[in-house]
Formats: sequence, C-alpha cells, structure tokens
Amino acid sequence: DAKTTQPTSMDCAEGRAANLPCNHSTISGNEYVYWYRQIHSQGPQYIIHGLKNNETNEMASLIITEDRKSSTLILPHATLRDTAVYYCIVRAPAGGTSYGKLTFGQGTILTVHP
Amino acid sequence: DGGITQSPKYLFRKEGQNVTLSCEQNLNHDAMYWYRQDPGQGLRLIYYSQIVNDFQKGDIAEGYSVSREKKESFPLTVTSAQKNPTAFYLCASTLNRGMNTEAFFGQGTRLTVV
Repeated sequence: DAKTTQPTSMDCAEGRAANLPCNHSTISGNEYVYWYRQIHSQGPQYIIHGLKNNETNEMASLIITEDRKSSTLILPHATLRDTAVYYCIVRAPAGGTSYGKLTFGQGTILTVHP
Repeated sequence: DGGITQSPKYLFRKEGQNVTLSCEQNLNHDAMYWYRQDPGQGLRLIYYSQIVNDFQKGDIAEGYSVSREKKESFPLTVTSAQKNPTAFYLCASTLNRGMNTEAFFGQGTRLTVV
C-alpha cells in the first residue's frame, strides 16, 4: 500500500469547516483513498473513501486532486465532538495482487475549540 | 446487530505470562487484523489474515502469535517474548470482495502487564 503523509496536528474553530490534507504521491491507479477517525480510547471509525471523483456523505466530503497525489477531508461544520485523530490511508480494491495489508500512519490530531 | 467484538476491555497480567485477546466478528468478513497502539502513537499492524487457516506477519509481529481456525474469530496471544506488551490492542475486519472494503474496528483491549 502507498504511504501517506499528514500534518501532525491542526486546530479548527467550532462551526467552521475543517480541512484535513493528505499526501499520497505514490498512489497507484487502482488504490482508493480512505479516511478514518479515532476518538480517544476507541476503535477507529470509517468516514469516507474515494478513487477519483469527489465524494460526499453525511459525515464529510472528500476532495481528490486530479493527479490523485493528494486529497482533503472536509468536515463542513466542525463540532467539539469532531476532536479526534484522523487517518488517511490508501488501499487497493479487493482481489488485487497488492491487496492485503491495511497500514495506518500517525494521523492528524484535530482539535476543535469553542 | 452485526459487529466486531473484543474482550475483555481491560486486562491485567503478570510479567512472563502469556495472555490471549479475543476478537470475534459476525459481519461475514473475510479479512481480520490486529493492531497495537501506544500512547500518542498511530496504529501498528501486528498480524493479519485474509482467509481461514492463513495469516501473515505485519510490521511488529515479534512476541505475538495468532490463529484463524474460524472465519469469525482471530485471537491474538501476547507471549512472554514480547518485551513491552502493555498497550492498547485493536482488532479490525474487512470484506475481501467488491469496492467497499472499509475496515470495522472493535473497541479495543487495554492490556497492562505488571
């Protein structure tokens, strides 16, 4: 799986949009970008994933650059409960020769303040 | 409800004793994973299994052992050879088919060795 690079920490004011960047410059053509978040002492929670097109769900939006070398997770109206560690990973689809390991990096600590 | 269950939530053991952490899923997922998380750190992959009766070492397998005799179960044994076993352990599972291969995590087991 391709390696990802994220900032160690970020701050955001409550009610504002939180934009979390991720670099994945070695991503392969068939690898998806996944985002998870982990609230203290809990298991990580899936947020969103995408391949090429921008994606949106009830939790967040995912913007992937045209060259797919980076992406941004957007929490449109951050709340205090969004304070967590956010992980960006890339992964090949099931059945591919590179499928298997599911590797997480250090993630970004997002702190939402009042 | 389908989900992935880790037990116990907290576990205390004396140094030199082997201890087994339980992970069960009823999601009919093919793949299962074990991670270790130390304070302020990301998730590090210990072992993973794509199918029953098969598993591979992750990045920090030394001092750990696993088995995958049933699809639903992937127990992790922390042996006395693991030099720093005190940590938060997370189990995850994913499908190995289709595009939606997001990982589902258990709530973790916090192991303290004294």
